[in-house]
Amino acid sequence: DSGVTQTPKHLITATGQRVTLRCSPRSGDLSVYWYQQSLDQGLQFLIQYYNGEERAKGNILERFSAQQFPDLHSELNLSSLELGDSALYFCASSGTTGANVLTFGAGSRLTVL
Amino acid sequence: GENVEQHPSTLSVQEGDSAVIKCTYSDSASNYFPWYKQELGKGPQLIIDIRSNVGEKKDQRIAVTLNKTAKHFSLHITETQPEDSAVYFCAASIGSARQLTFGSGTQLTVLP
Repeated sequence: DSGVTQTPKHLITATGQRVTLRCSPRSGDLSVYWYQQSLDQGLQFLIQYYNGEERAKGNILERFSAQQFPDLHSELNLSSLELGDSALYFCASSGTTGANVLTFGAGSRLTVL
Repeated sequence: GENVEQHPSTLSVQEGDSAVIKCTYSDSASNYFPWYKQELGKGPQLIIDIRSNVGEKKDQRIAVTLNKTAKHFSLHITETQPEDSAVYFCAASIGSARQLTFGSGTQLTVLP
């Protein structure tokens, strides 16, 4: 167990729908990162939050949004889902184990039908 | 932005042999280079990392080397075991930015 908790583990939904993925970081970690892993794109950085504020943006679509709450958990919202959004979504956190050291959760597998 | 290339995409070795995976990066400002192991159905797990002020780092059967001039770094696994079979990812990040740019991954298979 990495200490980073992601829910749900699996999610199946239809095109056009909206889903929310949740992440609880390791105890004490202030930074949360979201990554998308697909077969053809590898691990792509989406967005980073630090202590509730957006810190950096990567290849995140406008249909996607995220936030980090005062208790430091984070949610990734995916809307108007398309078939191509099917992927593994990973959350990672950093802070307590040293600069740049990311600890990943087990991921949420999203399937869009 | 940073671009990380990783080779080979697949690698099969006999148990007990060594395995080497190589990565190159594009941005000379990158200064942190971790390696992650991803087993089926799990998230990536950090196995070793190196910072730009160090040329080599070793942890038991795993070692990483860094050549800043050539902008490449490599993962070396010695005395491979079947449980080393997994996908390995290299990554790079710049300064305090912390978000990682990953390579495309290497599927390592250790044959018993």
